[in-house]
Amino acid sequence: DQQVKQNSPSLSVQEGRISILNCDYTNSMFDYFLWYKKYPAEGPTFLISISSIKDKNEDGRFTVFLNKSAKHLSLHIVPSQPGDSAVYFCAAACPSGGGADGLTFGKGTHLIIQP
Amino acid sequence: ETGVTQSPTHLIKTRGQQVTLRCSSQSGHNTVSWYQQALGQGPQFIFQYYREEENGRGNFPPRFSGLQFPNYSSELNVNALELDDSALYLCASSRTLLSTGELFFGEGSRLTVL
Repeated sequence: DQQVKQNSPSLSVQEGRISILNCDYTNSMFDYFLWYKKYPAEGPTFLISISSIKDKNEDGRFTVFLNKSAKHLSLHIVPSQPGDSAVYFCAAACPSGGGADGLTFGKGTHLIIQP
Repeated sequence: ETGVTQSPTHLIKTRGQQVTLRCSSQSGHNTVSWYQQALGQGPQFIFQYYREEENGRGNFPPRFSGLQFPNYSSELNVNALELDDSALYLCASSRTLLSTGELFFGEGSRLTVL
């Protein structure tokens, strides 16, 4: 039973265009969401996060949107660059529970930026 | 600032054997967690250690156990290895106990069980 779902295993986007990665969750106890980026042979690296009290968080080219009623979040990358080619993981947490449940990750979306 | 380091990077074991994986936390971090990433899946939470005590555990059997040492380094031990234990094992450290703290991951230890 997947509590965090990334339904697109891969996404191909032209360089310079917008990349939109989607994530859905089922557990209404989640109140903090994160995106991690992973290159081959490296560990995941933190990209951006959002608390459930917000609906948008922006950091440079990266923006995360949260729609709590739909239990949906998305990561927008504008403009997309070749170095953005990687696997992107959506993760969710219940900090109010003391963090003892760790992070729940989706399966990831492989983003390919084409020149 | 030294990042999270894991050893070994790759290893092969046979079914029924035991394995120990090691992790050195990032400097200044007192919390370490371990994740299992099977092929084609996202990382799955195994457990978390804070100040040398287990502070949370995912849906893994007791043959998965861990330790955290006074210098905040950590070990993951898996007994009676099964074929399905083949995966990338990721260690992550953080400054705080709560999940709102950013996790810093190591490169992982890839375990193959034959």
